[in-house]
Amino acid sequence: AQKVTQAQTEISVVEKEDVTLDCVYETRDTTYYLFWYKQPPSGELVFLIRRNSFDEQNEISGRYSWNFQKSTSSFNFTITASQVVDSAVYFCALRSTNAGKSTFGDGTTLTVKP
Amino acid sequence: EAGVAQSPRYKIIEKRQSVAFWCNPISGHATLYWYQQILGQGPKLLIQFQNNGVVDDSQLPKDRFSAERLKGVDSTLKIQPAKLEDSAVYLCASSGLAGGPVGELFFGEGSRLTVL
Repeated sequence: AQKVTQAQTEISVVEKEDVTLDCVYETRDTTYYLFWYKQPPSGELVFLIRRNSFDEQNEISGRYSWNFQKSTSSFNFTITASQVVDSAVYFCALRSTNAGKSTFGDGTTLTVKP
Repeated sequence: EAGVAQSPRYKIIEKRQSVAFWCNPISGHATLYWYQQILGQGPKLLIQFQNNGVVDDSQLPKDRFSAERLKGVDSTLKIQPAKLEDSAVYLCASSGLAGGPVGELFFGEGSRLTVL
């Protein structure tokens, strides 16, 4: 069985602060993919990043960065210099390579105040 | 490229009534998913189609929920009879995966159901 845990239910920061969203997962699969999605107030989930289980190289894309550590089953997401437009619910998801089934965490609601 | 289309966006019904949601995935996407998202929770998979075949419907409450994807393109999710706990947003997503690299899901705007 797959499980994704996002322990932080809500986070509130002031604009320009850095913020890290935590994600811990469980799976028996040896190969799998991890994702982060953003759900703004409008409601539509938008893909942010994908990482496969073979690639533990951390990635930076603009103000976003991701830290994947297989040894601790974590895939954390950091926003540097947060902006009000970053306010949204962020979901971490785990996808089995075999069946293609995606399991989502319950999300972290990020509020960035001006 | 057109995104995933869903309708209706909003639906209010009384308990024990029926409702149907429609989804048209991104053109060429073989895999289609229906998720249920209850307020404050992450999306929960109801059913996954690969073309017009069901890959996973283990979490679909089959006594009241049904879904079909007859021609391998658009899909309909039906609830009959609805219960209060069915109030949620029903998300449709599609993926271009048909084997090979695992791709991300593309989501529609969702259909918000309120059962009174």
